[in-house]
Amino acid sequence: KQEVTQIPAALSVPEGENLVLNCSFTDSAIYNLQWFRQDPGKGLTSLLLIQSSQREQTSGRLNASLDKSSGRSTLYIAASQPGDSATYLCAVSSGTYKYIFGTGTRLKVLA
Amino acid sequence: DGGITQSPKYLFRKEGQNVTLSCEQNLNHDAMYWYRQDPGQGLRLIYYSQIVNDFQKGDIAEGYSVSREKKESFPLTVTSAQKNPTAFYLCASSIPGQGHYEQYFGPGTRLTVT
Repeated sequence: KQEVTQIPAALSVPEGENLVLNCSFTDSAIYNLQWFRQDPGKGLTSLLLIQSSQREQTSGRLNASLDKSSGRSTLYIAASQPGDSATYLCAVSSGTYKYIFGTGTRLKVLA
Repeated sequence: DGGITQSPKYLFRKEGQNVTLSCEQNLNHDAMYWYRQDPGQGLRLIYYSQIVNDFQKGDIAEGYSVSREKKESFPLTVTSAQKNPTAFYLCASSIPGQGHYEQYFGPGTRLTVT
């Protein structure tokens, strides 16, 4: 059974710092992995989707990498800003319509 | 603007009453999903539908029911049989096919049952 873990559960950093969020999964047979952002009381916003054949995806200050063999993905945020404060979730799909979600990392960027 | 709408944003009900949450999308996506989110837990799949007139139970379907009569709409009914219905409910949609599909989410409905 696929399990997705995100560590740390919460993170506080000063503005301008580069940071890495981690996502681990137990079954390496995945089709894709998606990173989301969730603001308090809101829905999820898709940030990046990495297909199983890809090693990384980039969008602006965000870079997500995928290492299927080790069951890990990282989300790198460059030059963090207070507006980046949110909960970041990763989710993996193993080829069915089901995504398995991690519990998220709550990020706070201090001005 | 293409997207997913959920209504209402907040919903209050008395225990023992059934309640229906609305989810509409104009993205022309075939697949739609309902998730439940509780504090400190990841999203859990309630039901999903790959195509009109077809739907499948997710991991926590007990106490819930759905219908998929139109491509654009996937309403979720929370019945009185659901033991802990108070939660944040999220609807999503995607284009099916080979697993390389991206999920798009609505803004959510917060249901409080007292």
